[in-house]
Amino acid sequence: DAGITQSPRHKVTETGTPVTLRCHQTENHRYMYWYRQDPGHGLRLIHYSYGVKDTDKGEVSDGYSVSRSKTEDFLLTLESATSSQTSVYFCAISEGDRVNTEAFFGQGTRLTVV
Amino acid sequence: DAKTTQPNSMESNEEEPVHLPCNHSTISGTDYIHWYRQLPSQGPEYVIHGLTSNVNNRMASLAIAEDRKSSTLILHRATLRDAAVYYCILLSGTYKYIFGTGTRLKVLA
Repeated sequence: DAGITQSPRHKVTETGTPVTLRCHQTENHRYMYWYRQDPGHGLRLIHYSYGVKDTDKGEVSDGYSVSRSKTEDFLLTLESATSSQTSVYFCAISEGDRVNTEAFFGQGTRLTVV
Repeated sequence: DAKTTQPNSMESNEEEPVHLPCNHSTISGTDYIHWYRQLPSQGPEYVIHGLTSNVNNRMASLAIAEDRKSSTLILHRATLRDAAVYYCILLSGTYKYIFGTGTRLKVLA
């Protein structure tokens, strides 16, 4: 299994509080991604990173920010959590080259905003 | 990013082959076709990918139409452990994996 660790795995937080989710990889992959998954939807891309300090928005980036100061860590921050951000969040990594293109996913973080 | 279209759900009997279709009529010449599956309560896992030619691996086969506007994931003998949501994705040079809603495969014992 690819070395991807998401923390925390479960979190309950109150509306209006800041929340940071961490994704840590041991594979030295260039690309890292944050997705959310809600009932009735597939995975939706929030933000992704193509290198240290290089990030870009995905499909549903409003209300989220990210940072990548080291190759191995990609942080997702909800500056002021809302109930609509209750979801399961998945981190993914990929090498980002034309030969090895598969992505590997973490086990997910279940976030509940009350 | 080009989109894909998949049936919402399919059923198969155990130990029979399963053909999961995907339409991607707006695919560009350099887009890879990827398939992932998501077992209950888990993150997605890679199944197979291809560009133009058919591909086989230990999990499945991928058949790509000659015009590349559609593809089919083939599970040769479905087992109960293959019950999952299967996603077909087009991967461009931006390396953004954009998921649709996928096909929920139910395997009947």
